[in-house]
Amino acid sequence: QQQVKQSPQSLIVQKGGISIINCAYENTAFDYFPWYQQFPGKGPALLIAIRPDVSEKKEGRFTISFNKSAKQFSLHIMDSQPGDSATYFCAAGLNTGNQFYFGTGTSLTVIP
Amino acid sequence: DSGVTQTPKHLITATGQRVTLRCSPRSGDLSVYWYQQSLDQGLQFLIQYYNGEERAKGNILERFSAQQFPDLHSELNLSSLELGDSALYFCASSALYNEQFFGPGTRLTVL
Repeated sequence: QQQVKQSPQSLIVQKGGISIINCAYENTAFDYFPWYQQFPGKGPALLIAIRPDVSEKKEGRFTISFNKSAKQFSLHIMDSQPGDSATYFCAAGLNTGNQFYFGTGTSLTVIP
Repeated sequence: DSGVTQTPKHLITATGQRVTLRCSPRSGDLSVYWYQQSLDQGLQFLIQYYNGEERAKGNILERFSAQQFPDLHSELNLSSLELGDSALYFCASSALYNEQFFGPGTRLTVL
């Protein structure tokens, strides 16, 4: 059973456009929602994270929107750049500090 | 650079063999996590250690085992290897809660 569902599987965006990746979860006990960026041949790198007590968090061009009632959260990449081309994973975790449940990933390609 | 190191970077071995993957966490992090990343399964949590003790277990096969040593480095042992064990294996570390930082991974190829 996939605890975190991520869409789309792949995304192509023009340079300067907005990239939007969506995730949904089932377990209402989750209380930490990170996004990771992974380049080919590299490990996932923490991009931005949110806790359910806020509805939005912004860091530079990256914004997480969180809808607790719908059990959904999304990553928005503003002014997308070719250097943003990577695979993005959402995840959900518990405050016990144990495992993360990862989405299946979104391959983002930003066309110059 | 996350501060998490993993060795070796690549490993090629044959079916039935046994290998050991090594991970050194970020300075000060007591928790170590192991994940397996394959094309069809995505990132799957295997096991977590905290300060030398097993803290949580995920989808880890009985042929796989791990430990965390007093200096906090961790090793993942994979035995009786099968073709399907070919994957990227990541180690992550964190302080007590959340914010897991991933290492560069070990690519295991079983022939």
